Amino acid sequence: GDSVTQMEGPVTLSEEAFLTINCTYTATGYPSLFWYVQYPGEGLQLLLKATKADDKGSNKGFEATYRKETTSFHLEKGSVQVSDSAVYFCALSGSTDKLIFGTGTRLQVFP
Amino acid sequence: DTGVSQNPRHKITKRGQNVTFRCDPISEHNRLYWYRQTLGQGPEFLTYFQNEAQLEKSRLLSDRFSAERPKGSFSTLEIQRTEQGDSAMYLCASSDSWRGANTDTQYFGPGTRLTVL
Repeated sequence: GDSVTQMEGPVTLSEEAFLTINCTYTATGYPSLFWYVQYPGEGLQLLLKATKADDKGSNKGFEATYRKETTSFHLEKGSVQVSDSAVYFCALSGSTDKLIFGTGTRLQVFP
Repeated sequence: DTGVSQNPRHKITKRGQNVTFRCDPISEHNRLYWYRQTLGQGPEFLTYFQNEAQLEKSRLLSDRFSAERPKGSFSTLEIQRTEQGDSAMYLCASSDSWRGANTDTQYFGPGTRLTVL
């Protein structure tokens, strides 16, 4: 069945460092790919999405490119801030429209 | 647009009791989803509705679980004879999806945290 694998955390960075969180997927057909973020004490929020191969999703300085050849959707940000500290979830939506999530990656940014 | 709301936010119950959670989706959203999230894991799909019709149920949804969306607006999730393994965060999401496109964004509520003692 469809699945998502993302790197385990926590990822610990200093402010202004470069961030990469790896995400790979297995799916039949043409899934859409999402990154959701969960800030402490809050619900899941959509960060960005891409709906077809080679699309790049971007928001708040974060980017991810839908790579069909490597079945990946890695999240990147050039310069992280303390306020980016949160748990990040990679997810896909396939033929049945439900979301399938990875296990989440906790990001901790220190000043 | 007030977002997806869920009540209660927290529920503590004793094993064997029944509990019911409510979800109010974003107005006019025709799809409503339920997910369950345990500590350190990503959300797992439970079931979803298109208007009032329940279209899919996960194998995670045992016969102790039942969900309804009687008028195609709010939804309830009931767990009968709760077990300690039911302790989790129960998340509701909604989307505006008329053609079943997997490109649609699901908007999540804050969740209901269930603790079964």
